[in-house]
Amino acid sequence: GAVVSQHPSWVICKSGTSVKIECRSLDFQATTMFWYRQFPKQSLMLMATSNEGSKATYEQGVEKDKFLINHASLTLSTLTVTSAHPEDSSFYICSASPSGGDTDTQYFGPGTRLTVL
Amino acid sequence: RKEVEQDPGPFNVPEGATVAFNCTYSNSASQSFFWYRQDCRKEPKLLMSVYSSGNEDGRFTAQLNRASQYISLLIRDSKLSDSATYLCVVSPSGTTDSWGKLQFGAGTQVVVTP
Repeated sequence: GAVVSQHPSWVICKSGTSVKIECRSLDFQATTMFWYRQFPKQSLMLMATSNEGSKATYEQGVEKDKFLINHASLTLSTLTVTSAHPEDSSFYICSASPSGGDTDTQYFGPGTRLTVL
Repeated sequence: RKEVEQDPGPFNVPEGATVAFNCTYSNSASQSFFWYRQDCRKEPKLLMSVYSSGNEDGRFTAQLNRASQYISLLIRDSKLSDSATYLCVVSPSGTTDSWGKLQFGAGTQVVVTP
């Protein structure tokens, strides 16, 4: 089956630092990847859609200069949380949609739990 | 109003019993519907898609009611391993700018007890 990995699985950092999260599709190519954020007891909220070779599209209210997305290859997208603050502490989950397939078919990574002190 | 609404629960279910719960969605043009399962501190995993005619996968039955804009999930013969949060997921209308933008409910927690 399709496997998506994320690294790191958890990270604790000081306020003001930047954190990079990687999302990889291990056995398929993904033209499109998605980045979600989930706060405790809340639903997953789509942050941005990452397209290989082009700029990411961000959802309303998500700062593109704070959450930098790079999708340099068909198997890797990265999310960098710049100048992280405690309110950025959350569970960040990526998903990948196989190239040429239905974008409703998304395989989720295991998530990255970010804690900003 | 949220796009996708669910009763958060928890639904406490004795092992072997049946549990059912619904999810309502606000966009009448929504195209696709899914139930995902999420275990504590884990990623969501697709449980089943929901088709207009209703569909069954083992002990799980999903129904879609477009007129009333809700979907349902029924779990028969509940197992301890069914304890999880069940996420209702809706894919909005098929315009190009909505491709892949799944909308998640906050989830319904199910606790199956021995």
